[in-house]
Amino acid sequence: DSGVTQTPKHLITATGQRVTLRCSPRSGDLSVYWYQQSLDQGLQFLIQYYNGEERAKGNILERFSAQQFPDLHSELNLSSLELGDSALYFCASSPGPTTNEKLFFGSGTQLSVL
Amino acid sequence: DQQVKQNSPSLSVQEGRISILNCDYTNSMFDYFLWYKKYPAEGPTFLISISSIKDKNEDGRFTVFLNKSAKHLSLHIVPSQPGDSAVYFCAAVYNTDKLIFGTGTRLQVFP
Repeated sequence: DSGVTQTPKHLITATGQRVTLRCSPRSGDLSVYWYQQSLDQGLQFLIQYYNGEERAKGNILERFSAQQFPDLHSELNLSSLELGDSALYFCASSPGPTTNEKLFFGSGTQLSVL
Repeated sequence: DQQVKQNSPSLSVQEGRISILNCDYTNSMFDYFLWYKKYPAEGPTFLISISSIKDKNEDGRFTVFLNKSAKHLSLHIVPSQPGDSAVYFCAAVYNTDKLIFGTGTRLQVFP
């Protein structure tokens, strides 16, 4: 158990809809990262928050947004969903702001867009 | 533009033998490299890392080698055990901000 909690584990929705994925980091970790893993693809970095502020941005679509709340949990909002958004979405956390320390990953949210 | 490449999608090794997983990268500005292991239905877990100023790091059965001139990274597992069967991701850190993952190599260790 990594200590990172992601909910829900599975999500099935239709094209055009909007969903919210939730992540609770390990106790004491201030950074939260979001990654997307599509079929046969590596983990694609989406965005990082550190202590409530956006710190780094990757290949995140404009239809996607995220935030980190004062209690340090984070939400990833995906809107106007397309079939290609079907993927496994991972959240990870770490104590500090830099990514050269190891990340602790949740078990992921499997999103299926039909 | 895949900056971190794992060209072998799968590898099969007999128990007790050495497993060698390879990773190539294109960006010479990467300053830190990591390996993560992923079991089905779980998130990736950190395995071992190496700074770009080193060429080898060892932790028990796991050793990571870095060849900067060739922009090549490898993970050696000796001896391989059935419990090592998983997907292994190579990752590289750029500017302490972005952790870029490869596409993964599925290792199967058979008895």
